[in-house]
Amino acid sequence: EDQVTQSPEALRLQEGESSSLNCSYTVSGLRGLFWYRQDPGKGPEFLFTLYSAGEEKEKERLKATLTKKESFLHITAPKPEDSATYLCAVQGGNTGGFKTIFGAGTRLFVKA
Amino acid sequence: KAGVTQTPRYLIKTRGQQVTLSCSPISGHRSVSWYQQTPGQGLQFLFEYFSETQRNKGNFPGRFSGRQFSNSRSEMNVSTLELGDSALYLCASSSTGGGEKLFFGSGTQLSVL
Repeated sequence: EDQVTQSPEALRLQEGESSSLNCSYTVSGLRGLFWYRQDPGKGPEFLFTLYSAGEEKEKERLKATLTKKESFLHITAPKPEDSATYLCAVQGGNTGGFKTIFGAGTRLFVKA
Repeated sequence: KAGVTQTPRYLIKTRGQQVTLSCSPISGHRSVSWYQQTPGQGLQFLFEYFSETQRNKGNFPGRFSGRQFSNSRSEMNVSTLELGDSALYLCASSSTGGGEKLFFGSGTQLSVL
């Protein structure tokens, strides 16, 4: 069964203190691994898609990497506005139907 | 381009009632997925529709159902509501659903009393 596990559940950082969020997964026929950001009271907002091991994507202070069994979201010199819940998701399947499975998320708190 | 629109934004129901939630995807998107989000369980996949056909479904009881119309708009229905159905219900759309990012609406917050 497809599964996504994120760690830690919560992370508290000081502004400027870099860290990484982990996402380990098992999926049949990986079609993509996704990172989303979710703010309170809103739907998740897309950040990155990674398709194959070794792939990396960057956006501002965020960098996502992918191996065959896990992905990391690296946050460099975070700011208070980076505080949010970060969700990892995988999509597996074939043309018969696609199912995107989400992890429970990592709640990030960045203190000024 | 308008985003994914979900209505209503908030809903209060009592046990035993039924409820219908609506989702209008981004124009041109034909795949619509539904998720239930609760603090304890996170985002749980309900089902995915493409061109009016349910292509995949999660592990929810038959009280949860959905449909998609020819204009790609989708509705989900929950019958015989239980207290545990209280959650944020999120709709997401994508062009084809395969290997693509999802665009989410703001959700419908359902409270069952």
